Amino acid sequence: ETAVFQTPNYHVTQVGNEVSFNCKQTLGHDTMYWYKQDSKKLLKIMFSYNNKQLIVNETVPRRFSPQSSDKAHLNLRIKSVEPEDSAVYLCASSATLNTEVFFGKGTRLTVV
Amino acid sequence: GDSVTQTEGPVTVSESESLIINCTYSATSIAYPNLFWYVRYPGEGLQLLLKVITAGQKGSSRGFEATYNKETTSFHLQKASVQESDSAVYYCALGITGNTGKLIFGLGTTLQVQP
Repeated sequence: ETAVFQTPNYHVTQVGNEVSFNCKQTLGHDTMYWYKQDSKKLLKIMFSYNNKQLIVNETVPRRFSPQSSDKAHLNLRIKSVEPEDSAVYLCASSATLNTEVFFGKGTRLTVV
Repeated sequence: GDSVTQTEGPVTVSESESLIINCTYSATSIAYPNLFWYVRYPGEGLQLLLKVITAGQKGSSRGFEATYNKETTSFHLQKASVQESDSAVYYCALGITGNTGKLIFGLGTTLQVQP
């Protein structure tokens, strides 16, 4: 099966902890993204990578850092989480920039 | 800035009834954005339903259709006869073409189709 896979599905952690989310795509795509969907259901891009190079870095706090080991993987690390980081994080990929985007099922983060 | 506004849900319709979910957009960074409808079925990931990249054109998929209207900056989603399996969350989005691949989403509209 080819798709975008995210782990974990859910994660609960305390304020100040570090978390890391994994994303792998088996579609052979060159471009990967992280989106955040907050409690108000707003789905907004955080980062995009094309051929392992950072292309888009929206206004995201410095505690968020994407990590790309190869074109098929784009992980997201959050250092010292805060309550407002509670959200669903969606990983996605596309063959190239501006082609159809395929999304994973998301990782729901709850910060207590 | 760039933004998308769509029908606030939930929208509840009975099976075989017609459906329209409104979507209007504002694109300041690009004159002719690409327009998309994405859908998330229960337990599934977000997936592309249809897209239109040329103003004045209509896109269609699975019985749904939407027309890119640049004059009214709208991209409403319509279906003549919904089925219970259409129950899902629908997102209108605009694509900022160029070298970013960025999508701007609306807040989503939950559709509940009653049998």
